[in-house]
Amino acid sequence: EVQLVESGGGLVQPGGSLRLSCAASGFTFSSYEMNWVRQAPGKGLEWVSYISSSGSTIYYADSVKGRFTISRDNAKNSLYLQMNSLRAEDTAVYYCARDKYQLLFDYWGQGTLVTVSS
Amino acid sequence: AIQLTQSPSSLSASVGDRVTITCRASQGISSALAWYQQKPGKAPKLLIYDASSLESGVPSRFSGSGSGTDFTLTISSLQPEDFATYYCQQFNNYPPAFGGGTKVEIK
Repeated sequence: EVQLVESGGGLVQPGGSLRLSCAASGFTFSSYEMNWVRQAPGKGLEWVSYISSSGSTIYYADSVKGRFTISRDNAKNSLYLQMNSLRAEDTAVYYCARDKYQLLFDYWGQGTLVTVSS
Repeated sequence: AIQLTQSPSSLSASVGDRVTITCRASQGISSALAWYQQKPGKAPKLLIYDASSLESGVPSRFSGSGSGTDFTLTISSLQPEDFATYYCQQFNNYPPAFGGGTKVEIK
């Protein structure tokens, strides 16, 4: 069974940093591209970032470019999102999502809440 | 970037009703459209991809159609577990984008 489990969320002040993790199991993690998608409270879904299976290709949404860094460790079956210079508008539940193909998401984790507030 | 407009934003329906949700893209996206179901406090679940392909394990009462700019998700006979919010998503162009969602509520 495919499982994605996020962790690392919490309350952080504006301008602060946070690192999210996503532990994958039940599939060959190193063969799949992965993504982060977020959802602000009561709002819709917003794609945040993509990383290829090897980590060689990375994309970001314009809203996070230059502030967030996606990475992965295939030996540890883990995906990461380093978030710097956080803003109030980054407050959201962050989901890691497996890429079925071409930025189509077939499995999602349960999400981790990031709250940016003073 | 491609914009996706869903309609309606919410609807009330009864168990057994036929429900139709539409998604319109701001430019043509071929058949690169997916539909997700999200229940409160839960992650989205993939229902339909490539506009009309049913994801494994999804009940056959869900179906999708369309290509180009206009797409439809149909639930042929609404069940109690189908009350949720539904999102369309395009994956033809970068960046991937989601519609605003359609909340299906109990009448």
